[in-house]
Amino acid sequence: DQQVKQNSPSLSVQEGRISILNCDYTNSMFDYFLWYKKYPAEGPTFLISISSIKDKNEDGRFTVFLNKSAKHLSLHIVPSQPGDSAVYFCAASARGQGAQKLVFGQGTRLTINP
Amino acid sequence: DAGVTQSPTHLIKTRGQQVTLRCSPKSGHDTVSWYQQALGQGPQFIFQYYEEEERQRGNFPDRFSGHQYPNYSSELNVNALLLGDSALYLCASSLGPGSFNQPQHFGDGTRLSIL
Repeated sequence: DQQVKQNSPSLSVQEGRISILNCDYTNSMFDYFLWYKKYPAEGPTFLISISSIKDKNEDGRFTVFLNKSAKHLSLHIVPSQPGDSAVYFCAASARGQGAQKLVFGQGTRLTINP
Repeated sequence: DAGVTQSPTHLIKTRGQQVTLRCSPKSGHDTVSWYQQALGQGPQFIFQYYEEEERQRGNFPDRFSGHQYPNYSSELNVNALLLGDSALYLCASSLGPGSFNQPQHFGDGTRLSIL
């Protein structure tokens, strides 16, 4: 039972354009969502998060949007830079089911082309 | 500011053996969680330790056990290794097991290969 899904295994974007990574979830108890970025041979690095009381959170070039009715969130990166090439994981947790027990999607490999 | 550190980086074992992986949390953190990441998949939650006790557990068999020490460092033990245990094992630390809206910080992992 895959509670968090990232349906695009890979995405290729031109440098300077917008990258949009998508994530869907099925567990309506999830109330905290995070995006992590992972380079080869390194652990996941926290990027940005959003709680269910918000529908948007911005941090520099990164913006996360949450659509609770559709159980969908997305990460926008603008402008995209070559250093953004990595695997991006969406993760979720539920306060009532263990706030620190993260459920991850399968990841999306983002490639930024010069 | 020391981040999460894990040892060893790589490990090769054979089926049936036992293995111990180690983790030191980020400075100031008192809660450690362990995740298993199989090739091409996202990390899967194994269990979490706080105040030297297992607080939460994912869908992993009893062959997977852990420990937390008074200095908050932690160990993951896996007994009777199977080929399917080959994976990247990630340790993550945070402040408090119930702390909400607090991102976990991950180490670089231990790559375990079972022959």
